[in-house]
Amino acid sequence: DVHLVESGGGLARPGGSLRLSCAATGFAFSNYSMNWVRQSPGKGLEWVSSISTSSDHIYYARPLKGRFTVSRDNAKNALYLQLSRLSAEDTAVYYCARELRVNVFDFWGQGTLVTVSS
Amino acid sequence: SYELTQPPSVSVSPGQTAIITCSGDRLGDKYVSWYQQRPGQSPVLVISDDRKRPSGIPERFSGSNSGNTATLTISGTQALDEADYFCQAWDSSVLVYGFGSGTKVSVL
Repeated sequence: DVHLVESGGGLARPGGSLRLSCAATGFAFSNYSMNWVRQSPGKGLEWVSSISTSSDHIYYARPLKGRFTVSRDNAKNALYLQLSRLSAEDTAVYYCARELRVNVFDFWGQGTLVTVSS
Repeated sequence: SYELTQPPSVSVSPGQTAIITCSGDRLGDKYVSWYQQRPGQSPVLVISDDRKRPSGIPERFSGSNSGNTATLTISGTQALDEADYFCQAWDSSVLVYGFGSGTKVSVL
């Protein structure tokens, strides 16, 4: 079975940093592009970033580019998201999602909550 | 991101048909996916490539896409279909994904 498990969320101070992880099991991780999607409390889904199988194609939502950095380690079956210069607007549940093909996110993790507050 | 607009809410009686729209510039030129999110749960893919149902998704879910509007139709709506639904599209011109604002389906 495909499983995606996010971790690394928690309380962060404004201006601070946080590194999220997504552990993938049950499939050939290196064969799939991966994505991060976030959801602020009571709000809709917001796509954050996409990374291709070999990390040679990386895309970000424009408002987040420069503050967030996505990476992956295929040897460890892991996806990462480095968050920096955090603000209250970054408070959200962050999901990792497997990209079956373009525009098809077929499996999602349970999410990890990031709270930015002083 | 690519802007996609959905109605905030749709109400339907059990057994009736719920229709959820998603509008975006030249959306018919792109593939659209739809996700269901029940309260407190992660999103689940219910329609991909405008009209394809993943394995395990009931036949009552169907989709279409033309012009500037994509549509998710739930036929014979059941109480367990009560959830938020989000559309999604990839804008290849600026290399970003867009999600719709979401539609809350209430089965009354």
